[in-house]
Amino acid sequence: AQSVSQHNHHVILSEAASLELGCNYSYGGTVNLFWYVQYPGQHLQLLLKYFSGDPLVKGIKGFEAEFIKSKFSFNLRKPSVQWSDTAEYFCAVNVLEYGNKLVFGAGTILRVKS
Amino acid sequence: DAMVIQNPRYQVTQFGKPVTLSCSQTLNHNVMYWYQQKSSQAPKLLFHYYDKDFNNEADTPDNFQSRRPNTSFCFLDIRSPGLGDAAMYLCATSRDVVGNEQFFGPGTRLTVL
Repeated sequence: AQSVSQHNHHVILSEAASLELGCNYSYGGTVNLFWYVQYPGQHLQLLLKYFSGDPLVKGIKGFEAEFIKSKFSFNLRKPSVQWSDTAEYFCAVNVLEYGNKLVFGAGTILRVKS
Repeated sequence: DAMVIQNPRYQVTQFGKPVTLSCSQTLNHNVMYWYQQKSSQAPKLLFHYYDKDFNNEADTPDNFQSRRPNTSFCFLDIRSPGLGDAAMYLCATSRDVVGNEQFFGPGTRLTVL
């Protein structure tokens, strides 16, 4: 079965620190990759996605992620976090041969200290 | 704004008492999904509808059913909730079944007493 691993469940950073959240998946076929964010009290929102092409994708609010096929990874990065980035971040994988089913990682709770 | 709406946001039910959660969408998407998210865990797909076609995940308990009377609405019915069914239930939509972004509602948090 497909699985998605997020390396850290809780991350605490100070404002202006750089962020990297790890995500690895276990399926070798064609995949679409997503990062979703859930701000406190709000619904899941798409941060960025990778379908094909340039493996470095840029999303909203200064986030980017790099797809490294050989490592089955899709790590999320931001050079300088803000207090407003405090949220839970979910990596998700969609295996094309299984339709549009999303398999989520367990999530990483990011707290940014001001 | 086009969106995915879930009602109610919080639902309390008693052990064994049937409960229905509601989802509606103004996006006119073909596909609607129901996910279960337990505390500190990843959302897990229960089932989805592609138009009127129902697709159940293999490990979704029989206790969970769904109805989609029209394009806009989808319901999650839990016939006999157990304590283990307490969770956040997320509704999502996508335009199609392959290679599309999913749009999520705010979720309904279900408590079972």
